[in-house]
Amino acid sequence: DGGITQSPKYLFRKEGQNVTLSCEQNLNHDAMYWYRQDPGQGLRLIYYSQIVNDFQKGDIAEGYSVSREKKESFPLTVTSAQKNPTAFYLCASRRTSGSPEQYFGPGTRLTVT
Amino acid sequence: QKEVEQNSGPLSVPEGAIASLNCTYSDRVSQSFFWYRQYSGKSPELIMSIYSNGDKEDGRFTAQLNKASQYVSLLIRDSQPSDSATYLCAVSNLNGNQFYFGTGTSLTVIP
Repeated sequence: DGGITQSPKYLFRKEGQNVTLSCEQNLNHDAMYWYRQDPGQGLRLIYYSQIVNDFQKGDIAEGYSVSREKKESFPLTVTSAQKNPTAFYLCASRRTSGSPEQYFGPGTRLTVT
Repeated sequence: QKEVEQNSGPLSVPEGAIASLNCTYSDRVSQSFFWYRQYSGKSPELIMSIYSNGDKEDGRFTAQLNKASQYVSLLIRDSQPSDSATYLCAVSNLNGNQFYFGTGTSLTVIP
């Protein structure tokens, strides 16, 4: 089955630790995105990548880093520099030709204490 | 001004009624429009896409687009309790390089 997987579903970390969230897709999509969603809030774009080995900052990139070494994978690292890392993190992907709709993975809920 | 505006709700409708969700956008170059449904604690799920003016129907869902008024809506006919969720409106330019989400409207369908 084609789709987007994110792991883990729930993640707990101590303050000051870096943590990496996984996002993998087998849809052959070129573009991938990371969003953050806080309770009762909309989606805020962290980083996106249109092609392998290239990525751009979104609206709230500070305290986060990404890599895009493979088309299928777009991991997000939440660093200790991110002041309020507790949130629901969503990965999405889309084709870069044809219909532009984005499809989402199931999300990772990160709690930092 | 936000690119995409939605009434946050909550919107409550009785079971069997029509739920009407509205969205306005500010960027006139927007060409593609989407509705996502997000259940509590889950990720957004695409339920409708619309690209040209007028209505597009899919089962109990109808998306309506008016580019002149920069307005897109979603009608849910015969609303069911399972339709209770937050509905996100999204718009993009033609190639999808600019993609904006609204903050969502919370819908509750009362049995």
